[in-house]
Amino acid sequence: AQKVTQAQTEISVVEKEDVTLDCVYETRDTTYYLFWYKQPPSGELVFLIRRNSFDEQNEISGRYSWNFQKSTSSFNFTITASQVVDSAVYFCALTGTASKLTFGTGTRLQVTL
Amino acid sequence: NAGVTQTPKFRVLKTGQSMTLLCAQDMNHEYMYWYRQDPGMGLRLIHYSVGEGTTAKGEVPDGYNVSRLKKQNFLLGLESAAPSQTSVYFCASSYSVTGGENTEAFFGQGTRLTVV
Repeated sequence: AQKVTQAQTEISVVEKEDVTLDCVYETRDTTYYLFWYKQPPSGELVFLIRRNSFDEQNEISGRYSWNFQKSTSSFNFTITASQVVDSAVYFCALTGTASKLTFGTGTRLQVTL
Repeated sequence: NAGVTQTPKFRVLKTGQSMTLLCAQDMNHEYMYWYRQDPGMGLRLIHYSVGEGTTAKGEVPDGYNVSRLKKQNFLLGLESAAPSQTSVYFCASSYSVTGGENTEAFFGQGTRLTVV
């Protein structure tokens, strides 16, 4: 069975602060993919990043960065210099050879002025 | 491109009524999924399909049935709706889940279902 844990239910920060969203996963597969999705207040789900199990390189995209560590089964997401527009629910997800796409329970990020 | 389209967007049902939610995708994706989203529970997988004519159970399949008669459509049925099925339902599709570049899932806009 596979599982994704996002222990942080809600995080509140002041604009321009850095914030890290944690994601811990469990899987028996050796080949798997990890994802982050954003759900803004409007409700749609927006794809942010995909990482496969053989690529542990960290990735940076603008203010966003992701740290994938197989040794700790974690795929953490950092927003640098947060902005009000970053306020959303963020989901981490996992899929493996069984083709199930499993989501965590999400972290609600509130960025205030 | 329409992407993933869910029909209807809102619905109110009485307990015991039946209904079908339609998900249509125009991206020639093999994989399709139905999720429900409830406060504090994240997205929970109801059923999924890895290709036309196939379906499989997810985490919370009880009370739901699905069909994938055509590759582009994935139907979710509630035979006898219950208040516990009040939720926001999302459909998603992806080209592939374990290979290549196109593994991310694309989501529909969601269907808000209330069972009274």
